[in-house]
Amino acid sequence: NAGVMQNPRHLVRRRGQEARLRCSPMKGHSHVYWYRQLPEEGLKFMVYLQKENIIDESGMPKERFSAEFPKEGPSILRIQQVVRGDSAAYFCASSIMGSPLHFGNGTRLTVT
Amino acid sequence: AQTVTQSQPEMSVQEAETVTLSCTYDTSESDYYLFWYKQPPSRQMILVIRQEAYKQQNATENRFSVNFQKAAKSFSLKISDSQLGDAAMYFCAYHSGYALNFGKGTSLLVTP
Repeated sequence: NAGVMQNPRHLVRRRGQEARLRCSPMKGHSHVYWYRQLPEEGLKFMVYLQKENIIDESGMPKERFSAEFPKEGPSILRIQQVVRGDSAAYFCASSIMGSPLHFGNGTRLTVT
Repeated sequence: AQTVTQSQPEMSVQEAETVTLSCTYDTSESDYYLFWYKQPPSRQMILVIRQEAYKQQNATENRFSVNFQKAAKSFSLKISDSQLGDAAMYFCAYHSGYALNFGKGTSLLVTP
């Protein structure tokens, strides 16, 4: 059973470009979470999604960031018009109700 | 909001010795979960151990055990017979509902 798959592993974008981060949850998992890890910090919750629904986006910046988890295909975290402060590792996790979260290996976004 | 505090930014232990990593948290809830995650340089988030708040018995997983003091809101991780492969960042996390709140982490160095 494959784990949570994130791609790309590394992503470099220039300021002003768009970044799209993908996450395929573990098979059978319908809950997806996105976290951001800044250098020397723990993971910060961004958004929680179930299929086709955003359940909680309280940790997501109000502008430029969006997330989706369509009926078919991976979950996407989109960052528009990236700035240097967006440079971080972005982790996706998945679960079924009541189970611990399983994390992917993260995408390291570097904005130049 | 729940907060998780790890007061030790760095710890060092000799191979085969025992080390304890500290974690405290703040919550007004009675039903929750606590976790320790390990993050090696590969960046993968690995679940080390889990504790349900309603259980008085401390969780144990092989060389890893916790000291859970609910009244004191303390959740420390003990690593026995430390191995070189234990070197990593260790994050304490609080889980209630669906969001995981992480501490800032403790960097564990294991010396031969």
